[in-house]
Amino acid sequence: DIQMTQSPSSLSASVGDRVTITCRASQGIGNNLAWYQQKPGKVPKLLIYGAFTLQSGVPSRFSGSGSGTDFTLTISSLQPEDVAVYYCQKYSSAPLTFGGGTKVEIK
Amino acid sequence: VQLVQSGSELKKPGASVTVSCRASGYTFTSHAMNWVRQAPGQGLEWMGWINTNTGYPTYAQGFTGRFVFSLDTSASTAYLQISGLKTEDTAVYYCARRYNFFDSWGQGTLVAVSS
Repeated sequence: DIQMTQSPSSLSASVGDRVTITCRASQGIGNNLAWYQQKPGKVPKLLIYGAFTLQSGVPSRFSGSGSGTDFTLTISSLQPEDVAVYYCQKYSSAPLTFGGGTKVEIK
Repeated sequence: VQLVQSGSELKKPGASVTVSCRASGYTFTSHAMNWVRQAPGQGLEWMGWINTNTGYPTYAQGFTGRFVFSLDTSASTAYLQISGLKTEDTAVYYCARRYNFFDSWGQGTLVAVSS
């Protein structure tokens, strides 16, 4: 099975900072990658699919890039409401594996 | 689109539990339904999915045997049944729509297993 590895596992940044989260697949998955945001105590929310397509209603400060094995989620200007755990998920084939998550906090 | 799950459950080891997920706002059979587990303080774990047209389930490794996905298409509802509950089954269980990426999630159902 393809493994999904996120880094870092946690980060602390200041409001307004550019934040980058990386997700690496153990084998190529094309563009079949999604990103989710899970705020504390809340349900996961789809942010990005197809590696870079923003889900409707998601702020434009979020962006995704990459293909094959290496992917990135970028928050261009971190806001207090972005405090959450972010997960990548591959869907090229079953199993639809999630990464381990990246916890984003405000410094 | 809305997925509404049944309420929290407290069960003893060895018991069984059924979690329901009622869909509304779209044609139920037009999208697969997935189940995702989140143990306390842990990440998301895909349990598998069920084809809402055929009722055919696919289970991820680690979720075979005691876990059963089923449907009542007349009620636009998916079910997750867990039998022989263990303390390590304590988690929030989510249903989530679509095969591939999950664009709508239920609110989650906490299943707590304790003697």
